[in-house]
Amino acid sequence: ETGVTQTPRHLVMGMTNKKSLKCEQHLGHNAMYWYKQSAKKPLELMFVYSLEERVENNSVPSRFSPECPNSSHLFLHLHTLQPEDSALYLCASSQEYRDPEGLGLKGTQYFGPGTRLLVL
Amino acid sequence: AQSVAQPEDQVNVAEGNPLTVKCTYSVSGNPYLFWYVQYPNRGLQFLLKYITGDNLVKGSYGFEAEFNKSQTSFHLKKPSALVSDSALYFCAVRAPYSSASKIIFGSGTRLSIRP
Repeated sequence: ETGVTQTPRHLVMGMTNKKSLKCEQHLGHNAMYWYKQSAKKPLELMFVYSLEERVENNSVPSRFSPECPNSSHLFLHLHTLQPEDSALYLCASSQEYRDPEGLGLKGTQYFGPGTRLLVL
Repeated sequence: AQSVAQPEDQVNVAEGNPLTVKCTYSVSGNPYLFWYVQYPNRGLQFLLKYITGDNLVKGSYGFEAEFNKSQTSFHLKKPSALVSDSALYFCAVRAPYSSASKIIFGSGTRLSIRP
């Protein structure tokens, strides 16, 4: 519905498994994001890929590793996760552009439906 | 440092009554402000944004928000609530000249509309 798709929608994995989350945007955007949404906590930005920057939140454990092969696809590779990693993982994309009046970068993020991850 | 606050965890409104979901922000310069809505088991859905111009911004599903620079607020409003408006609402702020990673989301307000 929003042009950003995520698969799988639900995932149950053990702590020793390796899995990957996939995100695809059909909006022609030039930036993509991974967020983690946990109950009772603010939305946490994990990774950003854009023409201007690649950002990694230093507080994200190394058991999460992103991959962005092109501007339309974003992956989140998971390995040896912990039960506290159970959450809703949201992908988003935006078209970042320079404001013609010199106000810097602008863009609106559009989100996918999320992957509900449960780590046992 | 920029920040955004949604002072109410929950807002309860009767169907047909006007609703307001509050948001205040702190940012250097003129902010970019956003509202998103999240329905159960879904991602965040963009509702509206303020960049520049008219302080009253109209968005999807009959929602609007008013940018008030003096009060540093961007409250979300709707004249007549529907039961289907029940959801989790997020305010977000981004400073001008900032990169894409610098958007900050509020903690969310759960809106409950009773029939």
